[in-house]
Amino acid sequence: GAVVSQHPSWVICKSGTSVKIECRSLDFQATTMFWYRQFPKQSLMLMATSNEGSKATYEQGVEKDKFLINHASLTLSTLTVTSAHPEDSSFYICSARWRRGQYNEQFFGPGTRLTVL
Amino acid sequence: AQSVAQPEDQVNVAEGNPLTVKCTYSVSGNPYLFWYVQYPNRGLQFLLKYITGDNLVKGSYGFEAEFNKSQTSFHLKKPSALVSDSALYFCAVRAPGWVSGGYQKVTFGTGTKLQVIP
Repeated sequence: GAVVSQHPSWVICKSGTSVKIECRSLDFQATTMFWYRQFPKQSLMLMATSNEGSKATYEQGVEKDKFLINHASLTLSTLTVTSAHPEDSSFYICSARWRRGQYNEQFFGPGTRLTVL
Repeated sequence: AQSVAQPEDQVNVAEGNPLTVKCTYSVSGNPYLFWYVQYPNRGLQFLLKYITGDNLVKGSYGFEAEFNKSQTSFHLKKPSALVSDSALYFCAVRAPGWVSGGYQKVTFGTGTKLQVIP
């Protein structure tokens, strides 16, 4: 199956700093990638959808200036949490869509645990 | 708006016994339905999906799910549970076709923790 990687797998940072998380589709090209946030014992909440070469589409309530998304190539999307605060601590999961003909499926990365002190 | 309900926060089952994790959904049109499993501090792993065809879908690790259109359900099942099946299970739904913006959103349930007791 298709593989999606995330880097780093975990990160600890000080309040006020910025953190970048990378999401890569390793063996396929993904025109669309998704970023989710998961709080403890809760479901995945879609934050934004990024399309290669265009601006990301953010879900209602997600601050686009705080969560910067860049999808510069067909295999890489990045999420930058700017001026991070403790309430941004969470598990961030990316997903990449693989399309080939009628086949259309999402593959998930392993997630990144962000802890803001 | 589409939605998914997983009515049980946790399901406990003895090893070797059959297990069922419940899921009901609401969506316009014929649904695309999915089950994913998540181990601690890990991303989601795909188990199985229903798009069309046979109502009984077989997936990874011996899991299967039955699509019931009249009851709008897609329960996950396994004939004999293993301790290694203990994890968090998510049901998800996606509407058919495309929406403005060119993508289809997947809506996840709140998850059900499966605990298999040795």
